[in-house]
Amino acid sequence: DMKVTQMPRYLIKRMGENVLLECGQDMSHETMYWYRQDPGLGLQLIYISYDVDSNSEGDIPKGYRVSRKKREHFSLILDSAKTNQTSVYFCASSWDRGQDTQYFGPGTRLLVL
Amino acid sequence: QQKVQQSPESLTVSEGAMASLNCTFSDGTSNNFRWYRQHSAKGLEVLVSIFSDGEKEEGRFTAHLNRANLHVSLHIREPQPSDSAVYLCAVSMNYGNEKITFGAGTKLTIKP
Repeated sequence: DMKVTQMPRYLIKRMGENVLLECGQDMSHETMYWYRQDPGLGLQLIYISYDVDSNSEGDIPKGYRVSRKKREHFSLILDSAKTNQTSVYFCASSWDRGQDTQYFGPGTRLLVL
Repeated sequence: QQKVQQSPESLTVSEGAMASLNCTFSDGTSNNFRWYRQHSAKGLEVLVSIFSDGEKEEGRFTAHLNRANLHVSLHIREPQPSDSAVYLCAVSMNYGNEKITFGAGTKLTIKP
């Protein structure tokens, strides 16, 4: 059963704290993504990773960084979180960067106070 | 920059009646269209992908694409209460998954 997992599912942090969101996939997909979803807006791409240590900025990378040291894991890091980073974060993976179907995780709901 | 708009924002349909959702996009060179379903507190599940004008059916879900009219729709046949969810339209071009633009979604409620 193909699966994308995210941890934690819910997180509350204070402004200025560091945040680590983790994503895993069991499909050996090359490409992984981080999106955020805000009310009234579609999903926005934060970062894309084409393989281990091969990452590229998406449309809204400011305030975020990523790490991919193993093909199956992709982390999103918020250094000194801000209140406007309160959102639902989704991780996704696909076989390659092409038009292959993306598989999404269940999301992490982050609240920054 | 691609703009993707979905309508209506919310829709209530009786169980068994056809549900129709709309999506308009701004870039006529787009050639990759997907409909996703998002249940509350869950990830996105792809329902149907369509790449050329016409119709594509996947079970009870049918997508219609008319690129000349910049329009793609999703029709759900015999919807059930378990189909209640937010439906997202996603549009991209030959750049692939790096340049997907998502709509804000239509919240669909199926009344028993």
